[in-house]
Amino acid sequence: DTAVSQTPKYLVTQMGNDKSIKCEQNLGHDTMYWYKQDSKKFLKIMFSYNNKELIINETVPNRFSPKSPDKAHLNLHINSLELGDSAVYFCASSQGQPGNTIYFGEGSWLTVV
Amino acid sequence: GDSVTQMEGPVTLSEEAFLTINCTYTATGYPSLFWYVQYPGEGLQLLLKATKADDKGSNKGFEATYRKETTSFHLEKGSVQVSDSAVYFCALHPTGTASKLTFGTGTRLQVTL
Repeated sequence: DTAVSQTPKYLVTQMGNDKSIKCEQNLGHDTMYWYKQDSKKFLKIMFSYNNKELIINETVPNRFSPKSPDKAHLNLHINSLELGDSAVYFCASSQGQPGNTIYFGEGSWLTVV
Repeated sequence: GDSVTQMEGPVTLSEEAFLTINCTYTATGYPSLFWYVQYPGEGLQLLLKATKADDKGSNKGFEATYRKETTSFHLEKGSVQVSDSAVYFCALHPTGTASKLTFGTGTRLQVTL
């Protein structure tokens, strides 16, 4: 069973479109995240939710809107996609105290053309 | 702010060679330290971690020791295999209540026969 699963794995879309990436974790964790990996492989946190509440929002354009319907899900919606949004987006989760292992999904490869 | 510095890649080694990938960090307090690995076309996997000074994390023949005095967490393996070819990320999780991993820029390892 996949611990952190995200869909779709690959997404190619045109500029200006709106798209969503879904994420689910079956680990019973209380904290979920979205990370972005750019073309140079640099990884940076975007958002973090704890028990469905937003706790980290790292200077992300407001075209990006995370939504957490419950502790096991954290979806990422992106409006008016731009070329610079092309990246790999990783969902992740962890439990409890800071410093506990963060488990990552397999990534969603987004290409904006 | 917190930061992680990794050695520039790519690192190219012959099979059975000794591997060292340097990682140093800047953080207040006593962060937890991690190494993650990303195989081609895949997501991030936790390789090993250490949560306090002088701890040694180990997995799959890889080791790293948390050195508070030198603020380092260098990754080592005595004999690399072709299957170890991947991008390796050093990361830290700061002390405090907000869960957030800060990643280094990643080091690509290429192992040849």
